[in-house]
Amino acid sequence: AQKVTQAQTEISVVEKEDVTLDCVYETRDTTYYLFWYKQPPSGELVFLIRRNSFDEQNEISGRYSWNFQKSTSSFNFTITASQVVDSAVYFCALSEHGAAGNKLTFGGGTRVLVKP
Amino acid sequence: EPEVTQTPSHQVTQMGQEVILRCVPISNHLYFYWYRQILGQKVEFLVSFYNNEISEKSEIFDDQFSVERPDGSNFTLKIRSTKLEDSAMYFCASRGTSNTDTQYFGPGTRLTVL
Repeated sequence: AQKVTQAQTEISVVEKEDVTLDCVYETRDTTYYLFWYKQPPSGELVFLIRRNSFDEQNEISGRYSWNFQKSTSSFNFTITASQVVDSAVYFCALSEHGAAGNKLTFGGGTRVLVKP
Repeated sequence: EPEVTQTPSHQVTQMGQEVILRCVPISNHLYFYWYRQILGQKVEFLVSFYNNEISEKSEIFDDQFSVERPDGSNFTLKIRSTKLEDSAMYFCASRGTSNTDTQYFGPGTRLTVL
């Protein structure tokens, strides 16, 4: 069964600091997909980034970057130079390629509070 | 940019009543989902739907729940006899035609059962 763990429940930073969110996953599938979603105070779920299991190249997209390491089953996410608008709950999620419906399994979320 | 829409944004109902939550997925998407988020908790999978049938459901999705795609655009979640513990945010999601596609979520319907 697939499982996602976000050990950090809440992180508080001052604006312009970098924030790194940890995510550890478990899966028996060899092909899978990892995601980060943002849930701002308004409540919607906003897709941020996605990584395929066969591509471990780490990338940067604007102020977002991620570090995917299959050897440790981790998919960490960094916000560089945080802004107040980054305050939200961030969810890591996993989808198995072989699953019938490709459901998403979410971690418990990390609340990020960026103070001015 | 196409998006998933959900109605209503907030539904208040009495325990034991039936509710229907509505979703309009992105138009060319073929896979549809419902998820639930109890206040302050993580997002939980309820059901996935493809080709007019359920492809997977969780243990939460018991006989009180049903899904339907009544026409070419809507995707509904029905709860037959609501319980207090059904109070949650319900999210609809859809994805395209490939296993590799990303799921995009609607804004959610907050269901309050009194």
